[in-house]
Amino acid sequence: DSGVTQTPKHLITATGQRVTLRCSPRSGDLSVYWYQQSLDQGLQFLIQYYNGEERAKGNILERFSAQQFPDLHSELNLSSLELGDSALYFCASSGGNSNQPQHFGDGTRLSIL
Amino acid sequence: AQTVTQSQPEMSVQEAETVTLSCTYDTSESDYYLFWYKQPPSRQMILVIRQEAYKQQNATENRFSVNFQKAAKSFSLKISDSQLGDAAMYFCAYRSALQGAQKLVFGQGTRLTINP
Repeated sequence: DSGVTQTPKHLITATGQRVTLRCSPRSGDLSVYWYQQSLDQGLQFLIQYYNGEERAKGNILERFSAQQFPDLHSELNLSSLELGDSALYFCASSGGNSNQPQHFGDGTRLSIL
Repeated sequence: AQTVTQSQPEMSVQEAETVTLSCTYDTSESDYYLFWYKQPPSRQMILVIRQEAYKQQNATENRFSVNFQKAAKSFSLKISDSQLGDAAMYFCAYRSALQGAQKLVFGQGTRLTINP
């Protein structure tokens, strides 16, 4: 058990819809990262939050947004969903120092029908 | 931008044998971290081993060890005494040591099969 909790585990929805993925980091971790794993793109970094503030942005679409709340949990919002958004979305967390490894949650499997 | 390349899409090994997974990376930075993550069929991402670029000594974790060649930008994973539970996708990953640049850059992965 990594200590990172992601909900829901599975999500099935239709094109054009909006969903919210939730992540609770390990106790004490200030950084939260979101990654997307798809068959064609592999594992790609989307966005990082540190103690409530956006720290880094990767290949995140404009239809996607995220935030980190005062209790440090994070949400990834995906809107106007397309078939190509079907993927496994991982959340990871780490401590404040750059030398600390990232620990991953079990992921949310998103299927767009 | 940094890139990570795993040139072996699939590997197989007999149970109890040793296997080495290859990884090369490209970066202009001198300080960084390298990782191997394991993804079993359950889809979890499990940290196997990490290496700090400033350390010349290769990291080891029980049956897992790395061969880190900084000049060659090579970071291979050796699994000794392979076990059935080692069957998984293995991802090599790079992370800068710069503050604010902590994203992981992953390779495409190597699928490891263990033959009983």
